[in-house]
Amino acid sequence: DQQVKQNSPSLSVQEGRISILNCDYTNSMFDYFLWYKKYPAEGPTFLISISSIKDKNEDGRFTVFLNKSAKHLSLHIVPSQPGDSAVYFCAATEAGGTSYGKLTFGQGTILTVHP
Amino acid sequence: DTGVSQNPRHKITKRGQNVTFRCDPISEHNRLYWYRQTLGQGPEFLTYFQNEAQLEKSRLLSDRFSAERPKGSFSTLEIQRTEQGDSAMYLCASSPIGTGAGEQFFGPGTRLTVL
Repeated sequence: DQQVKQNSPSLSVQEGRISILNCDYTNSMFDYFLWYKKYPAEGPTFLISISSIKDKNEDGRFTVFLNKSAKHLSLHIVPSQPGDSAVYFCAATEAGGTSYGKLTFGQGTILTVHP
Repeated sequence: DTGVSQNPRHKITKRGQNVTFRCDPISEHNRLYWYRQTLGQGPEFLTYFQNEAQLEKSRLLSDRFSAERPKGSFSTLEIQRTEQGDSAMYLCASSPIGTGAGEQFFGPGTRLTVL
């Protein structure tokens, strides 16, 4: 049962353009969402997060949008840079109870930014 | 280096052997998590500790798997009687209590290959 899904295994974008990575979830108990970036031979690195009480969170070139009714979130990277090329994971958790901090990850999307 | 460290980085073993991995979290991080990642998938939660107490275990963690965090600092993950299906990347992460839910700092992982 895949509770967090990233349906696009890969995405290719030209440098300077916008990258949009998508994520869907099924568990309505999830109320905190995160994006992690992973380079080869390294562990995932936290990028940006959003609470379910918001619909948008922005940090520099990175913006995460949350649509609770559709159980969908997206990560926008503007402008995209070659150094952004990595695997991006969407993750979700319940911000309370014993499941606090237990992350459920999507399968990941490989982003390639071409110069 | 004040990040999360994991040892060994790579482990090759024969089916049926026991293996043990170590994770050293960021100093003063109360929470420590273990995840497993297989090819083409995102990390899957295995277990987590708050200080020395193991608070949650996934059903993925069969009785061949055991994790400890004896003094609330480093942690070990042992797999007994390894099977080929145990081949994966084992990731450790840590976080302090009180940060944004789920913002975890990951180590580089231990890649296990069971022959």
